Amino acid sequence: DAGVIQSPRHEVTEMGQEVTLRCKPISGHDYLFWYRQTMMRGLELLIYFNNNVPIDDSGMPEDRFSAKMPNASFSTLKIQPSEPRDSAVYFCASSFSSGGGTEAFFGQGTRLTVV
Amino acid sequence: QQQVKQSPQSLIVQKGGISIINCAYENTAFDYFPWYQQFPGKGPALLIAIRPDVSEKKEGRFTISFNKSAKQFSLHIMDSQPGDSATYFCAASIARNQFYFGTGTSLTVIP
Repeated sequence: DAGVIQSPRHEVTEMGQEVTLRCKPISGHDYLFWYRQTMMRGLELLIYFNNNVPIDDSGMPEDRFSAKMPNASFSTLKIQPSEPRDSAVYFCASSFSSGGGTEAFFGQGTRLTVV
Repeated sequence: QQQVKQSPQSLIVQKGGISIINCAYENTAFDYFPWYQQFPGKGPALLIAIRPDVSEKKEGRFTISFNKSAKQFSLHIMDSQPGDSATYFCAASIARNQFYFGTGTSLTVIP
């Protein structure tokens, strides 16, 4: 398996534009997590899904952020409209819960810069 | 609210020295405590993990010490090497289906 795949690796956009980040979890994993990493706040859990269903989105900073998981192999995190303070590295991670579970496996991240 | 508190924020250690990073938690429902290592431009990757029924786990130069009564755990890196320079995150989870991370420690090992 190639691991968790995120795209794009880098995104530069202008304030007010819509941004969509994409994630392909490891095949067979039933949990998917979206994290945001900044120097000030470290790794923040934004939302996580179990079997494609959003379980906890309390970490989503505001209504401008939304996430979907239409199937077991794909998830998106959308920011509309984007703001400079959204600039961060966004990570997707997946894990498998059965049989004692696994640790969270992370993708390489998407570095978002909003200018 | 930060579920897991980590310190220090940054650490500089001489080659061959011991690096120590500390974490504390409040939720006694946590049952799995991993440490992740992150190199620049990469996602965090699991380094070592421990369950609360064990007080210590060692893998090579890396050791987790766990104090259940104090709700604290720490990572010790023995004989620290320049290649260990990275950001380290402690984490805690319940049934490995929700992971809460500390704010990270940037470790620099100088030759």
